[in-house]
Formats: sequence, structure tokens, C-alpha cells
Amino acid sequence: EVQLVESGGGLVQPGGSLRLSCIASGFNFSIYWMSWVRQAPGKGLEWVANIKRDGGEKYYVDSVKDRFIISRDNVKNSLYLQMDSLRDDDTAVYYCARGWWLHDFWGQGTLVTVSS
Amino acid sequence: DIQMTQSPSSLSASVGDTVTIACRASQSISTFLNWYQQSAGKAPKLLIYVATTLQSGVPSRFSGGGSGTDFTLTITSLQPEDSATYYCQHSHSTPYTFGQGTKLEIK
Repeated sequence: EVQLVESGGGLVQPGGSLRLSCIASGFNFSIYWMSWVRQAPGKGLEWVANIKRDGGEKYYVDSVKDRFIISRDNVKNSLYLQMDSLRDDDTAVYYCARGWWLHDFWGQGTLVTVSS
Repeated sequence: DIQMTQSPSSLSASVGDTVTIACRASQSISTFLNWYQQSAGKAPKLLIYVATTLQSGVPSRFSGGGSGTDFTLTITSLQPEDSATYYCQHSHSTPYTFGQGTKLEIK
């Protein structure tokens, strides 16, 4: 059974940092692109970033470029999102999702709240 | 960036009805269009990809159509469990933007 389990969310002040993790199981993690998608409270979905199988290509939405870094560890079957210089509008549930141009499995999400 | 616009924003229908949700892209995306269903408090679920291909395990009463800039998601024989918010997403080029969502209420 495919499972994606996110962790690392929490309350952080504006300008602060957080590192999200997503542990994958039930499939060969190393052959899939992986993505992060977020959802602000009561709002729609926003694609954030994705990363190639070997980590050699990464793409970001403009609003997080130069602040967020997506990475992965194929030995640990883990996906990460390092978030720096956090802003109020980064407040959202962050989902880890399998896939590059479609997302066929999703985690349950981890809530990031940016507030002073 | 490609913008995705869904209509309507919300709709209400009865069990057994047929509903259609529209999604329009700001430029041609061929058939690089996916549909997701998100029930309250849950993660999204992939329903349809490349505009018309039904994801494994999704009931056949869900169907997708369209190409270029205009797409549709049709749900026939509505069931109570279809109450959810539906999102389109293009996969033509990054960023893979989503539509704003269509909330479907089952009366």
C-alpha cells in the first residue's frame, strides 16, 4: 500500500524557517518524481515545487523561489521542503504528492502556520 | 503562467442527477489537464488525467472531456459520496496551476 506521511509543520514567526519531511512507503520511491502542493485555510490548491527522480531537476512556483528548497533522499525514501524567510501567506497545509505532472497519491498534509 | 478558471464556483444537485463542471485554460494546453476530488478534511484524490483518462479505481460515472483551452468534468448518477470540491490542474508547463475549485453539494 502506497503511503506518504508528512511531518515538520508547526507555528513559526514571520521570517523564520521550517523543514518539512515526507516519508514514502509501499512503492519504489527512487523512480518517481515527487511534488509539494499547499492549501491555505479555506482556499484552493497551489502547486509549490517538484523534483526529479535523482534530484537533478527542481521546479518551483515563483512565490517560493529563492526561499524554499525541495530535496530528497532516495536511500531514506524521503522528500523534504526547506522553507526559509517564511511569510504570513505561506500559512497552509502542505501536502506531499507522488508524481511529476499528475499526483496519484497524496499524504494527509502537515499544517504550517506563520504568525507573530 | 497559465491560469485555470473553473465554473461554476459551487452547485447543488440531487442524487441521481448529472452535473458538468467546466475548466478553462488561459492558453492552449492540449490535453494536459487533470481533475481531482477533495472531500472535506481530506487530501485530494486524482480522478482523471490527460483530460479523459479515468484513474484506476474511479467509478465510470466520472468522465472528462475537452482539449486546447476548454475542458469538462461530468458526473452522472450522482451519489451522496460525490459531495466534495473538484479541482482542475494543468500539467502543460510549470507551475502546474489549479483552478479555484467547484464545490458540489448533494441535496
